[in-house]
Amino acid sequence: QVQLVESGGGVVQPGRSLRLSCVGSGFTFSCCAMHWVRQAPGKGLEWVAVIYYDGSNEYYADSVKGRFTISRDNSKNTLYLQMNSLRAEDTAVYYCARVLTMGWFDPWGQGTLVTVSS
Amino acid sequence: EIVMTQSPATLSVSPGERATLSCRASQSVSSNLAWYQQKPGQAPRLLIYGASTRATGIPARFSGSGSGTEFTLTISGLQSEDFAVYYCQQYHNWPPYTFGQGTKVEIK
Repeated sequence: QVQLVESGGGVVQPGRSLRLSCVGSGFTFSCCAMHWVRQAPGKGLEWVAVIYYDGSNEYYADSVKGRFTISRDNSKNTLYLQMNSLRAEDTAVYYCARVLTMGWFDPWGQGTLVTVSS
Repeated sequence: EIVMTQSPATLSVSPGERATLSCRASQSVSSNLAWYQQKPGQAPRLLIYGASTRATGIPARFSGSGSGTEFTLTISGLQSEDFAVYYCQQYHNWPPYTFGQGTKVEIK
C-alpha cells in the first residue's frame, strides 16, 4: 500500500539545523509533487513547502522562506527538509504528504516531532 | 493569501445524530477544497476532495457540498470513530496552501 515514513526529528537548540527525511513506498515516487506540512503542539495544520515531481520547482511558506530547503532524491524515493536557523516557533510535528493530481494531500506520513529548545 | 475560516470551533453531537461543519474562504476557491479528519496522535486523513468527492474508502455518511466561498461537511449518523478534529483546505490559489483552524466534533 502507499506509505510515507518520516524520520530525523528530535530536540535541537535554537539557531541550529536539522534534516528531515520521508521515504515513500507503494507508488512511483517520481510521479508526484511532495509537500511538508507541520502542526505545532495543540494547534492546526500549516503548509510548509512543496517540490515538484522532478525537483524543478519549490515553494515555501513565508514563515520558513530562506531558512528551510525542500529537496528530493527520486532514485531513493526520498523527500528531505533541511531546516536551518531553527526557532522555538518551528517546534511541531512535521508531516510529509503526496499530491497526486490537484492539490489535496493523500496520503500523509505518521509525522516526526521537532522540538526547538535550549 | 486565502484565509479559511471554520465554524464552529467545537461541535457537541450525540452518537447517531448528524453533524454539520462549515468552512468559509476569504475569496472564491471554486471547488478546489478538501476535508481531512484527524484523531489524537494520528496524521490527518483525506475525506473529501473537489468539495464533494469522497476519497477512497471513506464511508457514505461523510458528504461535502458547496463551491465558491461556502462549504459544508456533513456527517450523517455519527459513529464513535467519527469523533475527531476536521480541517478544510483550499488548493485553488497557492502558494500558500491554506487550512482552516479546525472543528472538533465531540461526544455530547
